[in-house]
Amino acid sequence: ETGVTQTPRHLVMGMTNKKSLKCEQHLGHNAMYWYKQSAKKPLELMFVYNFKEQTENNSVPSRFSPECPNSSHLFLHLHTLQPEDSALYLCASSSNPGASSYEQYFGPGTRLTVT
Amino acid sequence: AQSVTQPDIHITVSEGASLELRCNYSYGATPYLFWYVQSPGQGLQLLLKYFSGDTLVQGIKGFEAEFKRSQSSFNLRKPSVHWSDAAEYFCAVGPSNFGNEKLTFGTGTRLTIIP
Repeated sequence: ETGVTQTPRHLVMGMTNKKSLKCEQHLGHNAMYWYKQSAKKPLELMFVYNFKEQTENNSVPSRFSPECPNSSHLFLHLHTLQPEDSALYLCASSSNPGASSYEQYFGPGTRLTVT
Repeated sequence: AQSVTQPDIHITVSEGASLELRCNYSYGATPYLFWYVQSPGQGLQLLLKYFSGDTLVQGIKGFEAEFKRSQSSFNLRKPSVHWSDAAEYFCAVGPSNFGNEKLTFGTGTRLTIIP
């Protein structure tokens, strides 16, 4: 596998379920990101991890719980979600800002539907 | 605070015609600027980026963009579009220093190609 991978690609869950999204990057990056993409809205940054430490939590509700066990893996644990949480969840990774090689590489996303 | 405006929500062009997608940004320092493309059901792919130097940047798939500091713009151009260019295009302004990894995205421009 190369680049940034995400599993599952599609997920349907009820409001009382608990599920997790997984992201893995094979690029040697140190920073990883979760974004939410809803229809008609800009991409919303949710969380940023740099060297496994959370550096940004963009006022995300506690029903979303991120976990970054190492620089290559990022999880998003979901529980008691609401229908408005249905969206495409994108993971990205990058090297350090300030480097000329900096760019965020995105995975294909997980399409989440909350019923 | 940094922000990005993409004034055109939807653009339709004929195959073979030229294309220009507009992007205006607001950023307190010298920005890093990016254009990403997203095909339906997919993640975002980087087309090109500007950090410094030559203000005309060449990217993949025949795209180019020009940084104009005086107009706070970073418009994307292609001289002749192909049907495969139909997608959503996102402009982003980003971090220029270590410790601030946040990218801010515009709302996107959806490009439709007609035969």
